Amino acid sequence: NAGVTQTPKFRILKIGQSMTLQCTQDMNHNYMYWYRQDPGMGLKLIYYSVGAGITDKGEVPNGYNVSRSTTEDFPLRLELAAPSQTSVYFCASSHGTDLYGYTFGSGTRLTVV
Amino acid sequence: TQLLEQSPQFLSIQEGENLTVYCNSSSVFSSLQWYRQEPGEGPVLLVTVVTGGEVKKLKRLTFQFGDARKDSSLHITAAQPGDTGLYLCAGGGGADGLTFGKGTHLIIQP
Repeated sequence: NAGVTQTPKFRILKIGQSMTLQCTQDMNHNYMYWYRQDPGMGLKLIYYSVGAGITDKGEVPNGYNVSRSTTEDFPLRLELAAPSQTSVYFCASSHGTDLYGYTFGSGTRLTVV
Repeated sequence: TQLLEQSPQFLSIQEGENLTVYCNSSSVFSSLQWYRQEPGEGPVLLVTVVTGGEVKKLKRLTFQFGDARKDSSLHITAAQPGDTGLYLCAGGGGADGLTFGKGTHLIIQP
């Protein structure tokens, strides 16, 4: 099983550029999440989805957008990249209750210059 | 807002030593999970504890959930270099899923 697949692994953007971080899971999980991880700051929730067609904001949603058209895919869109968005981004999925835990992708390291 | 404080933030010990790391909160959680993250990878679930006072063992790792379900500890016996990583605790029961602590960076020196 592939689990949660994120692409790309690394990306350098110029200020003001846009990009989409891709996330796909093959476990038929209803819940999916996007986090950013910065040194010493832990994992911050950007957006999450409890099922296809449903998304909601997390702790740090500004500058990002998401969509959930299928159960498998949960892309994260950066419209106007800013240096503050330099971070490592993780996508995760779960069955829907905390008891099962999250399955994380291997991350996308994004640098905005 | 539920917060989880992990301590110590950094820990470097010699192979073969024992260690304990802590995860504390003023909030009650419905469950508590521990993850390990290696450089360049996402966190990987180690264990979930759900009952106050619960103790779970995973080979040389022992996890305990506090009686009041506000804290947890991870004890490693005879640490090995392969135990090196970032250990994250996460509390369940929030409206938007798990609340993560900032982690303990553990280095086991050969």
